[in-house]
Amino acid sequence: GQQLNQSPQSMFIQEGEDVSMNCTSSSIFNTWLWYKQDPGEGPVLLIALYKAGELTSNGRLTAQFGITRKDSFLNISASIPSDVGIYFCAGQTYDTGNQFYFGTGTSLTVIP
Amino acid sequence: DAMVIQNPRYQVTQFGKPVTLSCSQTLNHNVMYWYQQKSSQAPKLLFHYYDKDFNNEADTPDNFQSRRPNTSFCFLDIRSPGLGDAAMYLCATSRAQGTYEQYFGPGTRLTVT
Repeated sequence: GQQLNQSPQSMFIQEGEDVSMNCTSSSIFNTWLWYKQDPGEGPVLLIALYKAGELTSNGRLTAQFGITRKDSFLNISASIPSDVGIYFCAGQTYDTGNQFYFGTGTSLTVIP
Repeated sequence: DAMVIQNPRYQVTQFGKPVTLSCSQTLNHNVMYWYQQKSSQAPKLLFHYYDKDFNNEADTPDNFQSRRPNTSFCFLDIRSPGLGDAAMYLCATSRAQGTYEQYFGPGTRLTVT
């Protein structure tokens, strides 16, 4: 199957700091999704990206669809304690139908 | 207002005892998915329904089955749970196949004793 590498694996930051994480694939993707998952809950969709180069914001979150279509980035500005959780990227390619492949996740801890 | 609902949130079953997990949706989406997620891992797709068409992932064990009696409901049946099947089971929906966002339910945490 497709391999999605997500980095960093974990982050420990101070409240107020900005956060950056990224996801890379070995194949070209047509859609990138970013999710946040709290412990014991299902992933919640944060941002969806459909075009290479697309830059989309959702409040303090900004995500970009890489120009090469093999990567995507998520930035969180001015982090707050409720940003704590695991962030997953997910990518989809027409070659594999409707299946989305998930990254390995980035665990974010925000220290007040 | 919950859009993808999973019941129960926590399920305990005995080794080898069949168990059914349920998912319902109020989005009227055509596609429903079942994922298995083990601790500290990404969700792993088991299978999905596009309307009534069932699509099984190649590496999904035969022990896992699914039913979709109507648009709103989808069930995951584990015929003979093993200790290795203990995990979070996530249901998701999307409007159609292809480049459409998937919306997840809160999950059912399955414990096998």
